[in-house]
Amino acid sequence: GAGVSQSPRYKVAKRGQDVALRCDPISGHVSLFWYQQALGQGPEFLTYFQNEAQLDKSGLPSDRFFAERPEGSVSTLKIQRTQQEDSAVYLCASSSTQGADGETQYFGPGTRLLVL
Amino acid sequence: AQTVTQSQPEMSVQEAETVTLSCTYDTSESDYYLFWYKQPPSRQMILVIRQEAYKQQNATENRFSVNFQKAAKSFSLKISDSQLGDAAMYFCAYRSAGGAQKLVFGQGTRLTINP
Repeated sequence: GAGVSQSPRYKVAKRGQDVALRCDPISGHVSLFWYQQALGQGPEFLTYFQNEAQLDKSGLPSDRFFAERPEGSVSTLKIQRTQQEDSAVYLCASSSTQGADGETQYFGPGTRLLVL
Repeated sequence: AQTVTQSQPEMSVQEAETVTLSCTYDTSESDYYLFWYKQPPSRQMILVIRQEAYKQQNATENRFSVNFQKAAKSFSLKISDSQLGDAAMYFCAYRSAGGAQKLVFGQGTRLTINP
């Protein structure tokens, strides 16, 4: 079946602009995660949804970062007033939370954000 | 808080040879999951192998196997018969069995396969 998809794949923003990044999880997956991956580093957790409920947002670096998943499927990560330090790849992952495969997160291709 | 450490920023191996990537972690929990993910240059993160901490038997997936040493908090990945397509960044990751669902990643190891 279809995997996790993300759009856009690349985004260039001027400092101060707002951006919105979209994630379409695997159909039926209850859990959805956002990670931020700086160049040459491992991904770092941003936030986690179970259905439409945002259960953990402890990784969001500032109040400029906001995520939502209003219908428990597609999620959007919004960054307001972008700064150069926001430049990174933003990864989305989903998992089913059920069965033997429930603990495995499946990742999308990521959105590469460059803030000039 | 849990931490994951990969002490080898880069590794290289001859095609068809065997290579082992190291990973150590720190946790006070007794039940958790460990993963190895592969990230080729296209950047799509792909699951290689996973291990449940309560299982003593080391996980194996074709040419990939792990050496899980719970007491030492060590989780190394062995790749046998290395192929050119194995070239990628490899990340070790930890996830609690309960509570926090997030993955905690190591810094990664860049694996090069020499033909």
